Amino acid sequence: KAGVTQTPRYLIKTRGQQVTLSCSPISGHRSVSWYQQTPGQGLQFLFEYFSETQRNKGNFPGRFSGRQFSNSRSEMNVSTLELGDSALYLCASSLRADNTEAFFGQGTRLTVV
Amino acid sequence: EDQVTQSPEALRLQEGESSSLNCSYTVSGLRGLFWYRQDPGKGPEFLFTLYSAGEEKEKERLKATLTKKESFLHITAPKPEDSATYLCAVQATGTYKYIFGTGTRLKVLA
Repeated sequence: KAGVTQTPRYLIKTRGQQVTLSCSPISGHRSVSWYQQTPGQGLQFLFEYFSETQRNKGNFPGRFSGRQFSNSRSEMNVSTLELGDSALYLCASSLRADNTEAFFGQGTRLTVV
Repeated sequence: EDQVTQSPEALRLQEGESSSLNCSYTVSGLRGLFWYRQDPGKGPEFLFTLYSAGEEKEKERLKATLTKKESFLHITAPKPEDSATYLCAVQATGTYKYIFGTGTRLKVLA
């Protein structure tokens, strides 16, 4: 069965622009989480959604936002991009309502220039 | 504050040389502890979930164990294809987020 699909895989944006990343979870999975991975900070939690409701939010500025649709697909948006937003953005989905046993996608590599 | 510390940061093993990776955690209440493997440029690959102290899980050459303060990932007779970064994460009760350690970079030499 298909895994977690993230699009696009690679993205180059200019400072000040905004970007939208997409995540399609494994079929049947209703919990979707987003993480930012950088060499210096490792994996940092952004947000988690279940049935279109955001249940947890990480310590990121308000420029980072997300949403989940009724088909469980999720998007995250970053406005007014900064150089420090360059990272691998990872989406994970879980079949379980408590979000244990999450499966990750391949990520979107965002470069801000 | 919930926290995960992994050691060592990096490990080089000869093929067949068994070893263990450590994950120490501090969490208010543990819902689950997770091990992942990550290859360069790819997303983390799920390996194991452990829920309570004393629990053990095995998969091929890997065995994960859990105590009240730490988890070990034992690698028996590793092969070069086991080379990767191994990540440990915890989820506290009452939350849905994972807190990750910084990982152990494993290199297995033929």
